[in-house]
Amino acid sequence: DAGVTQSPTHLIKTRGQQVTLRCSPKSGHDTVSWYQQALGQGPQFIFQYYEEEERQRGNFPDRFSGHQFPNYSSELNVNALLLGDSALYLCASSLEIDRGRMRAGYTFGSGTRLTVV
Amino acid sequence: RKEVEQDPGPFNVPEGATVAFNCTYSNSASQSFFWYRQDCRKEPKLLMSVYSSGNEDGRFTAQLNRASQYISLLIRDSKLSDSATYLCVVSPYDSSASKIIFGSGTRLSIRP
Repeated sequence: DAGVTQSPTHLIKTRGQQVTLRCSPKSGHDTVSWYQQALGQGPQFIFQYYEEEERQRGNFPDRFSGHQFPNYSSELNVNALLLGDSALYLCASSLEIDRGRMRAGYTFGSGTRLTVV
Repeated sequence: RKEVEQDPGPFNVPEGATVAFNCTYSNSASQSFFWYRQDCRKEPKLLMSVYSSGNEDGRFTAQLNRASQYISLLIRDSKLSDSATYLCVVSPYDSSASKIIFGSGTRLSIRP
């Protein structure tokens, strides 16, 4: 049973560039959430996708955008990269039917480590 | 005020010791609570859910105090392999979405 797959694992970009990160959810999961984790911090919620729509968004600027495809995979796009965007970007998948139940139901990918120079 | 707050540590304890972490949350409507474990440069992994009645899983015990809006994690007979960052996670859950909110994490280091 494949878990959450993220690509690439590492990425180095120059300030001002654009980047696209990819996520394939765990088999059977239909909801994808993206998190940014800066060094020494907990993951910060960016947004969540369900049924190909952004359902909820955290406190991130419009430079952060995303997409979910019919096969439930997702992309995170960041435009006009800043040095402060350097972080581990985590994708978590879950099943909508589990929402509200007393379980996390979240499976995380191993993340994409983005370095902006 | 942060939605979820934890003591960042680090906690440095000898093997075999008992250690406890607390976490407070600000949204009284929060519905679900969890502890995640994150090893260095790895993704977070679910350690255990936290139930109102308290729950235990081997050497780990989690407690929830809704009145004071905090959750706790107790680790007994700590092992070297328990060294990690422990993330407190809260789900406000409403009818529209189900994001989970992480604390900043508490670093635990077990020494021989």
